[in-house]
Amino acid sequence: DAKTTQPPSMDCAEGRAANLPCNHSTISGNEYVYWYRQIHSQGPQYIIHGLKNNETNEMASLIITEDRKSSTLILPHATLRDTAVYYCIVRVPRWTGANNLFFGTGTRLTVIP
Amino acid sequence: SQTIHQWPATLVQPVGSPLSLECTVEGTSNPNLYWYRQAAGRGLQLLFYSVGIGQISSEVPQNLSASRPQDRQFILSSKKLLLSDSGFYLCAWHHPGGGQPQHFGDGTRLSIL
Repeated sequence: DAKTTQPPSMDCAEGRAANLPCNHSTISGNEYVYWYRQIHSQGPQYIIHGLKNNETNEMASLIITEDRKSSTLILPHATLRDTAVYYCIVRVPRWTGANNLFFGTGTRLTVIP
Repeated sequence: SQTIHQWPATLVQPVGSPLSLECTVEGTSNPNLYWYRQAAGRGLQLLFYSVGIGQISSEVPQNLSASRPQDRQFILSSKKLLLSDSGFYLCAWHHPGGGQPQHFGDGTRLSIL
């Protein structure tokens, strides 16, 4: 699975958009990009994923560059409850065997009132 | 909609005591199930995964075991706990293939005294 690089921390003002970048320059053609977040003492929460196209759901938008070497998670209107560690994961889905996830150090997003 | 339940949320056990953590998934069938352990400030370590009833694969040799007695039930056990078994235990599920994301429970924080 491709390695990802994320900034260790970011701040965002409440109500503004939070843009979290992720670099995955060694990504291969069949690897998906997944975003999760983890609030202290809770299990990781799935946010969004994509392969090539930009994606949007009720939580966030995922923008993947045309060369797929980087992506950005966008939380359109950050709230205090969005303060968490955000993880960008790249991996090939497998039909057989384990599809275990490797969480790196992520980006600690702090939403400021 | 699908939900995943883990219990207990926290557990304090003496060294040498047995362990049983339970995870159940609702609203889906034939999920792949996973047990992870997350040490403080570190990533996820895959312990066991299961692709079906009675089918368990172990990723890391240890004094833990897992069982899947029913399609949507996954149990993590130990006969005698060690101090090194302390950690945050997470259960997850997903449908294999097609890039489907994993969904995590809220975790069990296990402290061994």
